[in-house]
Amino acid sequence: GPKVLQIPSHQIIDMGQMVTLNCDPVSNHLYFYWYKQILGQQMEFLVNFYNGKVMEKSKLFKDQFSVERPDGSYFTLKIQPTALEDSAVYFCASSLIWYEQYFGPGTRLTVL
Amino acid sequence: QQKVQQSPESLSVPEGGMASLNCTSSDRNFQYFWWYRQHSGEGPKALMSIFSDGDKKEGRFTAHLNKASLHVSLHIRDSQPSDSALYFCAASEHWGSNAKLTFGKGTKLSVKS
Repeated sequence: GPKVLQIPSHQIIDMGQMVTLNCDPVSNHLYFYWYKQILGQQMEFLVNFYNGKVMEKSKLFKDQFSVERPDGSYFTLKIQPTALEDSAVYFCASSLIWYEQYFGPGTRLTVL
Repeated sequence: QQKVQQSPESLSVPEGGMASLNCTSSDRNFQYFWWYRQHSGEGPKALMSIFSDGDKKEGRFTAHLNKASLHVSLHIRDSQPSDSALYFCAASEHWGSNAKLTFGKGTKLSVKS
């Protein structure tokens, strides 16, 4: 089936640094999402993105977070600066039809 | 308080047996429900969506929704070792492109051969 790729699979950085998480969505998909999962807790919605714009963001999507998809390439989540509480697994998803979200395998972010 | 609660946390069934997973929402705004399955090292993959009261069957999988009680269940008959995975219930308030999913914590299913 359609696959969403995420790069890297694991990232370790020092607190205060910038990090960019990359998502390669399914090629003809139009809607893009980021979710965050802290160890032992449920996956939580961060943001969704369509036609070059953020449609909705949750309270977890802090001012330090930003998303973009320049020139139809990777859909990225940038955190600048990072904080300890940003340590989590971040899942990217994409969809063509609203009720069929396809998820990537996640990027595990460790902030030291 | 979590808006989507799943039970049990873990479940073990013999190969060929029936697995029953439960999900309850505390938010009456949730109208649309999904079951996702996640194998180790992979992202969640949608198994089924259910938007209307009653049963929906796809192969060995049957989902049941009762909107009045905000309860949705997933039943897997003739369980196989390959069904061993983490199962998530997800819900959404909205119909359409701004459908953000709210997930439960998951049920870990082990199918023993």
